[in-house]
Amino acid sequence: DAGITQSPRYKITETGRQVTLMCHQTWSHSYMFWYRQDLGHGLRLIYYSAAADITDKGEVPDGYVVSRSKTENFPLTLESATRSQTSVYFCASSWTAGGEAFFGQGTRLTVV
Amino acid sequence: DQQVKQNSPSLSVQEGRISILNCDYTNSMFDYFLWYKKYPAEGPTFLISISSIKDKNEDGRFTVFLNKSAKHLSLHIVPSQPGDSAVYFCAASVYSGGGADGLTFGKGTHLIIQP
Repeated sequence: DAGITQSPRYKITETGRQVTLMCHQTWSHSYMFWYRQDLGHGLRLIYYSAAADITDKGEVPDGYVVSRSKTENFPLTLESATRSQTSVYFCASSWTAGGEAFFGQGTRLTVV
Repeated sequence: DQQVKQNSPSLSVQEGRISILNCDYTNSMFDYFLWYKKYPAEGPTFLISISSIKDKNEDGRFTVFLNKSAKHLSLHIVPSQPGDSAVYFCAASVYSGGGADGLTFGKGTHLIIQP
């Protein structure tokens, strides 16, 4: 299917565990982004990538790691999950860094 | 320090009337502005955008107005329909500079259209 997909849609994990959220897009967009949505904060940028093997920090990168070995995939890893990382995570992609971005359906992560 | 501000967490409007959602920004480098719509359990979807070289952009029932001197933009929905009930996010970027930091979002406004 064309578009941008995230997996899993829902995840419950324990404090201290490593968890990886997956993001795949079929448009060959250069740019990919990870945002988290929290009540009272809106959408905040965690990491972004301008191309394969090029990544950079956003507003709230602490505790997260990303990689982009292929243009279409942009996984987000929480190396040691904490309760403060309970959130809804959105992946997005775009042709340009500052233009219209297309979002996935989100992953709701709960850290217990 | 919040660079994009949506000061109304919620807005209730009667069906058929005009909905006006407001957004303020503080970063004078922003030159591209977007509105996104979000339904529960779905990702945000792009609605309409405006470049800083314009002061108005229209798409069907949706119009965005930009006042650069006031660092303010607004989204007008006319007429409002039940399906417009959603959270609306205002976003901004430094497009001409390559948009290095992607889109900066406000906290969102929950629009409720009442029958």
